Amino acid sequence: SQELEQSPQSLIVQEGKNLTINCTSSKTLYGLYWYKQKYGEGLIFLMMLQKGGEEKSHEKITAKLDEKKQQSSLHITASQPSHAGIYLCGALHSGGSNYKLTFGKGTLLTVNP
Amino acid sequence: EPEVTQTPSHQVTQMGQEVILRCVPISNHLYFYWYRQILGQKVEFLVSFYNNEISEKSEIFDDQFSVERPDGSNFTLKIRSTKLEDSAMYFCARRLRNGYGYTFGSGTRLTVV
Repeated sequence: SQELEQSPQSLIVQEGKNLTINCTSSKTLYGLYWYKQKYGEGLIFLMMLQKGGEEKSHEKITAKLDEKKQQSSLHITASQPSHAGIYLCGALHSGGSNYKLTFGKGTLLTVNP
Repeated sequence: EPEVTQTPSHQVTQMGQEVILRCVPISNHLYFYWYRQILGQKVEFLVSFYNNEISEKSEIFDDQFSVERPDGSNFTLKIRSTKLEDSAMYFCARRLRNGYGYTFGSGTRLTVV
């Protein structure tokens, strides 16, 4: 079974609409990163969450980590074509010296003008 | 100026040839990683490197792969004898302490023909 599942796999919205992307872990998260990627390009850091119940916002994007630290959501308010891309969540499942990230499959967001 | 610079941005190589991918972090960080993303698939962990030695490697990181930081600055990934299935985007990353500050380079697209 997948350690980290993202949903939906793809999403098409009309410009101006709100949307939510979810990332669910089968294990307790030590930390959770959200990145945005254009197809075939690099990963752009959006936000990092580490505390249960934590919520962070940047411009029109808000990310939350639930109290149990097993699920995170990314919410975009009043979407714009510039929000289009692939959204990836990357999980830190434990501390220690390695801190490797486990990624979800990504959510492809299309915003129609 | 990006915090993690990767060169080259794109490399095409013949099957069986050796390739070296380079990563240059700006600051004197200690924790480095290589990840790989086959086009259209998940970002996958390859290897973590701390204090000038490998701290963890994945099943993908077989004897054909090696990493080193020869001059205390550049961090390299070498693939000794490339295979067609090594074609992918390779990302270098660095992090700060306690899982914070996970920053990725813009990637090297490796095409093996």
